[in-house]
Amino acid sequence: EPEVTQTPSHQVTQMGQEVILRCVPISNHLYFYWYRQILGQKVEFLVSFYNNEISEKSEIFDDQFSVERPDGSNFTLKIRSTKLEDSAMYFCASGPNTQYFGPGTRLTVL
Amino acid sequence: LAKTTQPISMDSYEGQEVNITCSHNNIATNDYITWYQQFPSQGPRFIIQGYKTKVTNEVASLFIPADRKSSTLSLPRVSLSDTAVYYCLSTGGGNKLTFGTGTQLKVEL
Repeated sequence: EPEVTQTPSHQVTQMGQEVILRCVPISNHLYFYWYRQILGQKVEFLVSFYNNEISEKSEIFDDQFSVERPDGSNFTLKIRSTKLEDSAMYFCASGPNTQYFGPGTRLTVL
Repeated sequence: LAKTTQPISMDSYEGQEVNITCSHNNIATNDYITWYQQFPSQGPRFIIQGYKTKVTNEVASLFIPADRKSSTLSLPRVSLSDTAVYYCLSTGGGNKLTFGTGTQLKVEL
């Protein structure tokens, strides 16, 4: 059964550093998403991506964040200058209408 | 703001049927009802989706009455491994998902 994959599973970084989280969506899906979940809190929407452009973004998704689909299979989330409060699980999802989530990347900012 | 309302928690015992009801009074005409399961430190896992009446798959059933203002997820014969958070969401057309706090199901021996 096809599934969304994410790498790395865990990323530790220093405050102010750039991180890139990678996702491989399910191959025939056209909609791509990033969500995050701070420990003990709700899953929060960050951004949706369709037809090679951002279709919607939340208030969380400020200028420090960017997304890219560099090669037709990967979908990346970049955080330019990480802050302590960016520590969270980051989930990629893809879909036609139903969204299928990846296992997540745990980002720890020290 | 989540568009659905569900109980914060439920307790059950192994082998029992669990029914989790979700309220979605203002569901849009084009929206489906989708349920996800989430274990700690894992991504939400799709369980089942429906528009109206009853849908059944290998893990659950979903009952949606004609007015579509509520729905019930039914888990037959739960086991300890079904202990998780269950989310009810109204979804449609590639739009973002708005998660609430979900229902924490605890299954005991």
